[in-house]
Amino acid sequence: EPEVTQTPSHQVTQMGQEVILRCVPISNHLYFYWYRQILGQKVEFLVSFYNNEISEKSEIFDDQFSVERPDGSNFTLKIRSTKLEDSAMYFCASNVAGRGEQFFGPGTRLTVL
Amino acid sequence: SQQGEEDPQALSIQEGENATMNCSYKTSINNLQWYRQNSGRGLVHLILIRSNEREKHSGRLRVTLDTSKKSSSLLITASRAADTASYFCATDQNTGGFKTIFGAGTRLFVKA
Repeated sequence: EPEVTQTPSHQVTQMGQEVILRCVPISNHLYFYWYRQILGQKVEFLVSFYNNEISEKSEIFDDQFSVERPDGSNFTLKIRSTKLEDSAMYFCASNVAGRGEQFFGPGTRLTVL
Repeated sequence: SQQGEEDPQALSIQEGENATMNCSYKTSINNLQWYRQNSGRGLVHLILIRSNEREKHSGRLRVTLDTSKKSSSLLITASRAADTASYFCATDQNTGGFKTIFGAGTRLFVKA
């Protein structure tokens, strides 16, 4: 069964460093999403991406964040200058139709020291 | 206040009992979904109910939606220890783009 994959599973970085989180969505999906979940808290929407451009973004997704689909398979989230408060689980998701069931990856745990 | 608030925040029941979780939201929605998350792992879609539907069933799951009250409930019947997880409601917003807002979640613990 096809699934969304994410790498790395755990990323440790120093404050101020840039990180790139990688996702491979399900191959026939057209809509891609990033969410974050601070430990024990709710899942927060960051951004949605369709047709090679951002569809929606939240107030969390400021100038420090960017997304890219560099080729036909990968979908990346870049944080330019990490802050302590960026420490969280980051989940990628994808779906076919834009609304409705989303398929989530296993997440990347980002720890900013 | 946040979109998609669930209550209770935590629920502990015995195996075989029913579990009911509630969700409220604030803005106009396209649909409402329920997801399950096992400890720290990815979310798994359980069921979707469209804004023009009032009730939906899937196996041991029953979801209701009341758009006039902007609320939904998820009922899990005959719970099992394996149902222990966090449950989140999520709403697809009626915006021009694609935005899904998750609630704070209910942590369900089913005792064997």
